[in-house]
Amino acid sequence: QVQLVQSGAEVKKPGASVKVSCKASGYSFISYDINWVRQAPGQGLEWMGWMNPNSGNAGYAQKFQGRVTMTRSTSITTAYMELSSLRSEDTAVYYCARRNDWHSPDYWGQGTLVTVSS
Amino acid sequence: DVQMTQSPSSLSASVGDRVTITCRASQSINSWLAWFQQRPGKAPKLLIYQASTLESGVPSRFSGSGSGTEFTLTISSLQPDDFATYYCQQYNSYSWTFGQGTKVDIK
Repeated sequence: QVQLVQSGAEVKKPGASVKVSCKASGYSFISYDINWVRQAPGQGLEWMGWMNPNSGNAGYAQKFQGRVTMTRSTSITTAYMELSSLRSEDTAVYYCARRNDWHSPDYWGQGTLVTVSS
Repeated sequence: DVQMTQSPSSLSASVGDRVTITCRASQSINSWLAWFQQRPGKAPKLLIYQASTLESGVPSRFSGSGSGTEFTLTISSLQPDDFATYYCQQYNSYSWTFGQGTKVDIK
């Protein structure tokens, strides 16, 4: 069965970087884009960007341009999202999600809580 | 960027009620719209994609309609399991936008 398993919770200081991993299994990793979505406490869902595991190409929401990098390792079927220059407003649960053929996220990771605090 | 306006932001309903949630896009997105259910502390769950296609395993009491800029999620007979927050999501030009969410709670 399709599974996306994310890395554990992180606590970071303002100005630091965080790298969240998303291990895919149960399907052909290179055949589906991975998107990243975050959710601040008590807030809605916010799209951050996409990454094509086959080519390594990525596209980012304007809000995160220059601060986010999405990469992958095909040998271990894992996608990564790195966010730099963290500030308190980046405190959120970060999700990876597989995009289906109709541009909708059909499978989601369990989420990774990133807390930014001095 | 395409903006999504979802309404209402919250509603109270009883088991057995028919519930309707609406999303409006700031420009035409054809049928590139999905609906999700999210329970507290859990990842969102895909219910409907391509505006009206039911995801495998989702109960048939959920349905979606619309195209262009106006979309609707309908729950025909609300069940105890359905009290949650619902989001719409659009795709346009390699980017996604989510609606603000609709919290459905017990009247």
